[in-house]
Amino acid sequence: DTGVSQDPRHKITKRGQNVTFRCDPISEHNRLYWYRQTLGQGPEFLTYFQNEAQLEKSRLLSDRFSAERPKGSFSTLEIQRTEQGDSAMYLCASSLDRATEAFFGQGTRLTVV
Amino acid sequence: QQQVKQSPQSLIVQKGGIPIINCAYENTAFDYFPWYQQFPGKGPALLIAIRPDVSEKKEGRFTISFNKSAKQFSLHIMDSQPGDSATYFCAASKVRDDKIIFGKGTRLHILP
Repeated sequence: DTGVSQDPRHKITKRGQNVTFRCDPISEHNRLYWYRQTLGQGPEFLTYFQNEAQLEKSRLLSDRFSAERPKGSFSTLEIQRTEQGDSAMYLCASSLDRATEAFFGQGTRLTVV
Repeated sequence: QQQVKQSPQSLIVQKGGIPIINCAYENTAFDYFPWYQQFPGKGPALLIAIRPDVSEKKEGRFTISFNKSAKQFSLHIMDSQPGDSATYFCAASKVRDDKIIFGKGTRLHILP
């Protein structure tokens, strides 16, 4: 499978716990994006990497959220001290050079109980 | 502030009909307007996109109509099929920017 891969597909966690998601982009794509999608809404931009550099962060990304892309390949998104409002689908996308040509993964659905 | 407004929220059409989904935007700096299709449990997939220098673009059964002066664009699906049942998102982006602004989506159901 040469598409964007996300792991895990589903995560249920208790409020206050930390969670980490992984995204493997399409090989050779140097841009990687994280979006969040809540029920009945369109995806909302969270952050973006070009290679290993995190170039933009949305105001939606509170201090409890951190994203890394250490070697410019896969990326991780960590949420500390999860809250019920963090329950959403977290989508990763990658592109070769522009956000307009991004390919999305299947997402990680997070449920905070 | 919602930068891309999409309507209707949901739509039911008979097989063979032509569902039409509408979007409006505010920011005249947007210069790329894609439509995404999303099936349950999947990520959004790019369906078709248009730039503001053309008024219409067709790809297979999917057509985008673009009205720059009204700041509106719409998706038409010709000869709709039950397999087209999905959620459709309009979106907008600036080529110099690196994020896509999505509408809230339209849940489309095509009756067999």
